[in-house]
Amino acid sequence: DAMVIQNPRYQVTQFGKPVTLSCSQTLNHNVMYWYQQKSSQAPKLLFHYYDKDFNNEADTPDNFQSRRPNTSFCFLDIRSPGLGDAAMYLCATSRQGTLKQFFGPGTRLTVL
Amino acid sequence: GEDVEQSLFLSVREGDSSVINCTYTDSSSTYLYWYKQEPGAGLQLLTYIFSNMDMKQDQRLTVLLNKKDKHLSLRIADTQTGDSAIYFCAEGDNNAGNMLTFGGGTRLMVKP
Repeated sequence: DAMVIQNPRYQVTQFGKPVTLSCSQTLNHNVMYWYQQKSSQAPKLLFHYYDKDFNNEADTPDNFQSRRPNTSFCFLDIRSPGLGDAAMYLCATSRQGTLKQFFGPGTRLTVL
Repeated sequence: GEDVEQSLFLSVREGDSSVINCTYTDSSSTYLYWYKQEPGAGLQLLTYIFSNMDMKQDQRLTVLLNKKDKHLSLRIADTQTGDSAIYFCAEGDNNAGNMLTFGGGTRLMVKP
């Protein structure tokens, strides 16, 4: 089945220790998104890619970076995680020109 | 900017109908979506409605759209304990890129 996969599902890191979350998709969608979701709040968009064209939301902290080496993979790098970065991180994909987004299962990040 | 509002919580008895409501402000919304999120999981697309429709039915799910009042509802017939989750309403405008604006989510609790 075509799907969006996120690894790991649970990640524990220490305060200030860089961490990378990964997302892959078999849907061949050209748009990929990273969202941060805290405590059953609405997902908050961090950034998205149209193919390799990177789009950062205005209020996404510089601490968050992303890479998309090819259509299938996208990475979220948190350079110096703080306690406030503990959250669920959701990856989603869509086909350009459509609004329907398909989400992965999420990675829950804990910062000690 | 666009805003999407939902009530925080709904409790129903198993077998009853549930109605989850959503209001939005963007008059140029093209599609409106309902996503379901179970604990510790990603968002699952349940159903969606195009803005020129006023109703869509899909098995136990009925979506009603009142475009004049910018009000969207999701009715779940014969609610089961497996329907307990957080339900997110989201709206998007085809003319404004691939972005969705999410509501804050409604937590549905189904009591046996």
